[in-house]
Amino acid sequence: QVQLVQSGAEVKKPGASVKVSCKASGYTFTSQNMHWVRQAPGQGPEWMGITNPSSGDTSWAQKFQGRVTMTRDTSTDTVYMELSSLRSEDTAVYYCAREGPAIYYFDFWGQGTLVTVSS
Amino acid sequence: QTVVTQEPSFSVSPGGTVTLTCGLSSGSVSTSYYPSWYQQTPGQTPRTLIFRTNTRSSGVPDRFSGSILENKAALTITGAQADDESDYYCVLYMGSGIYSFGTGTKVTVL
Repeated sequence: QVQLVQSGAEVKKPGASVKVSCKASGYTFTSQNMHWVRQAPGQGPEWMGITNPSSGDTSWAQKFQGRVTMTRDTSTDTVYMELSSLRSEDTAVYYCAREGPAIYYFDFWGQGTLVTVSS
Repeated sequence: QTVVTQEPSFSVSPGGTVTLTCGLSSGSVSTSYYPSWYQQTPGQTPRTLIFRTNTRSSGVPDRFSGSILENKAALTITGAQADDESDYYCVLYMGSGIYSFGTGTKVTVL
């Protein structure tokens, strides 16, 4: 069965960086894109970006331009999202979400990783 | 920047029908935006309900249906049940590899 298992909660100081991992299993890792979505406390989800695990190509929302890096490791079936220059507004649960076979939607979600940015 | 808009809240009686919509601050939603819908209860991971406008995800009851209604994507719950009380979010594909979540609708069943 498809599983996306994310790394554990993080506490970071403003200005620091955080790297969240998402290990996939139960399907061919390179066959489907992986998205990153975050959700701040009490807010709706926000799409961050997408990684093609086969090619390594990425796209991200304009607001994260210059601050986000998305990578993948095909030897461990893991995708990574690194966000730099953290500020308090980046406090959120970060999810990886697999793109479904029919594309343009998310079919499986990781359990979420809480990132807290606090001085 | 174009905002994806949803009604903030809806109330529906048990057994009743409610239609949520997903529009654009500028322009019309069509099937080319590949609208999808997600249900989320507080503290839980989103659950996929509908993709490609009107295709139900595996295991989703047929009381949930998707469509395009008057230039907006729509999610209709027919015969609402107590456990449909949740937040609902649409997602649109904006082109060039970019996606956008809607502002969300809180549905209360009472």
